[in-house]
Amino acid sequence: TAGITQAPTSQILAAGRSMTLRCTQDMRHNAMYWYRQDLGLGLRLIHYSNTAGTTGKGEVPDGYSVSRANTDDFPLTLASAVPSQTSVYFCASSDPRGDRGPLPQHFGDGTRLSIL
Amino acid sequence: GEDVEQSLFLSVREGDSSVINCTYTDSSSTYLYWYKQEPGAGLQLLTYIFSNMDMKQDQRLTVLLNKKDKHLSLRIADTQTGDSAIYFCAERYGGSQGNLIFGKGTKLSVKP
Repeated sequence: TAGITQAPTSQILAAGRSMTLRCTQDMRHNAMYWYRQDLGLGLRLIHYSNTAGTTGKGEVPDGYSVSRANTDDFPLTLASAVPSQTSVYFCASSDPRGDRGPLPQHFGDGTRLSIL
Repeated sequence: GEDVEQSLFLSVREGDSSVINCTYTDSSSTYLYWYKQEPGAGLQLLTYIFSNMDMKQDQRLTVLLNKKDKHLSLRIADTQTGDSAIYFCAERYGGSQGNLIFGKGTKLSVKP
């Protein structure tokens, strides 16, 4: 069972370069999320998408953009990377159906990104 | 805004019980969650509790919810070295399309 696949697993990137982190899910979940995890700060939401064709800003959206052209894919783009974007990035998905159910989020294994 | 607080570290001996505590601020939260993160991996859902429940038990895991004090705890009975990980508390807010707010995580170390 694949679940959520993130690529690449890790990357070193020069400051000023652009990069797209890929996220694909095979669970047909409507909602998808991007988080960054930093030591001492926990998980912070960057962007989210409740359904294909819509996106929203999370807690720390600056410097990042997302698109949701279809249900399965939710790429995260850094247009011009800066060292403060060095982090571990996690993609997640959930399947909201009204207000019923716990709607847990399922996570990928993360992309470790270093900006030099 | 909404916030979730956890202590950062907990150390226990193998075979003892572990209790990880969490406080949250959003009184309208419908579900609260516990996630486990092992080194180099993503977050794995351990358990969740609906806000109208006081307790939920699942094998070695017991979740207690004190809604009045906005306090959530996770008890792991007979803690094993394989339980060593970071545990995140999270609350769901914003209704049906609500996002999750995570605590900073508690690193559990289990000593043999």
